[in-house]
Amino acid sequence: QKEVEQDPGPLSVPEGAIVSLNCTYSNSAFQYFMWYRQYSRKGPELLMYTYSSGNKEDGRFTAQVDKSSKYISLFIRDSQPSDSATYLCAMSAMSGGGADGLTFGKGTHLIIQP
Amino acid sequence: NAGVTQTPKFQVLKTGQSMTLQCAQDMNHEYMSWYRQDPGMGLRLIHYSVGAGITDQGEVPNGYNVSRSTTEDFPLRLLSAAPSQTSVYFCASSYSSGSGYGYTFGSGTRLTVV
Repeated sequence: QKEVEQDPGPLSVPEGAIVSLNCTYSNSAFQYFMWYRQYSRKGPELLMYTYSSGNKEDGRFTAQVDKSSKYISLFIRDSQPSDSATYLCAMSAMSGGGADGLTFGKGTHLIIQP
Repeated sequence: NAGVTQTPKFQVLKTGQSMTLQCAQDMNHEYMSWYRQDPGMGLRLIHYSVGAGITDQGEVPNGYNVSRSTTEDFPLRLLSAAPSQTSVYFCASSYSSGSGYGYTFGSGTRLTVV
């Protein structure tokens, strides 16, 4: 079993819908959780960063972490066609991945239909 | 600021050839790392560095060498290229402190080994 599981999709939703993206993990040492957005043929771009359990909101994006269930989520409100991309979850045990690297999910390909 | 700069953007190698992928950052980040991204596999950590003169192996280090003589540069060397090393390579630099968190990726190097 891979350390981080993420449904690769594709996930297709109409413009304006609320999108829910999820990852599960097995390593209880993970404390830092991130979501990245990657457009085709580009590098990943950091969207959200959370430490330990809880919620964090930034504009249309909300990240949730439930360490007891080893489950993290990213919600996108009022989805736009420009949100169409691959979304990668990532996590680490130490200092946000700098001292031990990040462990990524495979990424979910999201399509927002105009 | 340029952020994280990777060169070259594209490269074709013959089996057995060696080459160096260059990575430079101008953000004075202490941490740097290399990942490879293959279809359906997500990003996997190759090597990482927590500071000048200090490197460590990630999940898939075989066939690659790194060194970090300065804070700014973190080159990745392919010793004897194999078709299995055909991939997209991303370099990243990061920091984590009480004042915030950042993890920035370069735009990638697309490598084909024939």
